[in-house]
Amino acid sequence: DAKTTQPPSMDCAEGRAANLPCNHSTISGNEYVYWYRQIHSQGPQYIIHGLKNNETNEMASLIITEDRKSSTLILPHATLRDTAVYYCIGYKNSGGSNYKLTFGKGTLLTVNP
Amino acid sequence: GAVVSQHPSWVICKSGTSVKIECRSLDFQATTMFWYRQFPKQSLMLMATSNEGSKATYEQGVEKDKFLINHASLTLSTLTVTSAHPEDSSFYICSARDPGETEAFFGQGTRLTVV
Repeated sequence: DAKTTQPPSMDCAEGRAANLPCNHSTISGNEYVYWYRQIHSQGPQYIIHGLKNNETNEMASLIITEDRKSSTLILPHATLRDTAVYYCIGYKNSGGSNYKLTFGKGTLLTVNP
Repeated sequence: GAVVSQHPSWVICKSGTSVKIECRSLDFQATTMFWYRQFPKQSLMLMATSNEGSKATYEQGVEKDKFLINHASLTLSTLTVTSAHPEDSSFYICSARDPGETEAFFGQGTRLTVV
């Protein structure tokens, strides 16, 4: 799986968009970019994933550069409950139930009132 | 989406005793589940892969005789920390994936404190 690099921490004002960058310059062509987040003392929560195209769901948007070397997770209107550690993970989705994820250090996003 | 449930959410045990943690997939069958450990202010570290009907696969440095994994059914995997010591105090998290979904789901985690 591709190595990813994320800033250790970021701050965002409540109600503003939070843009979390991730560098994955060694990602291979069949590896997806997955984003999870972990609120303090809870298990990780899936947010979104993508391969080449930008993706959007009810939680966030994922913007992947054309060369796929980096991506940005966007929380359009951050709330205090979005304060968490956000993990960007490169993973080759081979199907089935085998789904071993390797977590880096992630980015601690703090949403301030 | 699929749900993975862990039990208990927290446990305190005495040094030298064993503790069992359960991980259940509530609405899907999982032939494979994963166990992670997380120390304070650190990231999740994969401990082992639990395989239904066969032996678990342990990551390098994880003692298989200390962390016993049993995956006896398609919806339940258990992790038993044997002869627990204070250094085993940690946050243990399991995950599983519904083959029909594109993402893994995680349990809520179990906070183990060994005193």
